[in-house]
Amino acid sequence: DAKTTQPPSMDCAEGRAANLPCNHSTISGNEYVYWYRQIHSQGPQYIIHGLKNNETNEMASLIITEDRKSSTLILPHATLRDTAVYYCIVRETSGGGADGLTFGKGTHLIIQP
Amino acid sequence: GAGVSQSPSNKVTEKGKDVELRCDPISGHTALYWYRQRLGQGLEFLIYFQGNSAPDKSGLPSDRFSAERTGESVSTLTIQRTQQEDSAVYLCASSLGPGRYTEAFFGQGTRLTVV
Repeated sequence: DAKTTQPPSMDCAEGRAANLPCNHSTISGNEYVYWYRQIHSQGPQYIIHGLKNNETNEMASLIITEDRKSSTLILPHATLRDTAVYYCIVRETSGGGADGLTFGKGTHLIIQP
Repeated sequence: GAGVSQSPSNKVTEKGKDVELRCDPISGHTALYWYRQRLGQGLEFLIYFQGNSAPDKSGLPSDRFSAERTGESVSTLTIQRTQQEDSAVYLCASSLGPGRYTEAFFGQGTRLTVV
């Protein structure tokens, strides 16, 4: 019952922009799109989240399509340290009830030197 | 503390023994999550605490697994009569709560090995 679909793996050359796609065609109006990443042998790390507007922070940019059925995480200048599994998650944040973050299989991004 | 702290970082136990894993969340974070990650696998949700609400235990795999949280601070995950399939990294995360402030911060995990 995964709410998101991501490619299992991607390669990107060091210094180039890494564009990671995510499909979430069943997203509902009060669900946000979150991105986390997990570098080998570490706990997951929050990257960015958004509702419908594009978002940017010091780590990445998040582009959400107008119909909100898909999004793209952009790492503008990928480095070797960005090699990790990237998880796209949709999550209701209405403020009520128990809502564990549910992680799918993610995309294993490999940055090539 | 600066982040989520978990202890021990590594635990080796014999099959059939009980183990307790501890999580110290970030101060002020009302939400706390436990996950399990088997080698080469994704994160498996176990349990979620939010303030004084009843915890969401829907991810606990069996009645050998239980967790407690004291107020909005320390949480303990207990596994009774451990089995080899319990071997995994157990990750804890905390966040300010549901709603707008829901970025979850993860600890480094406890690597449990059942021999």
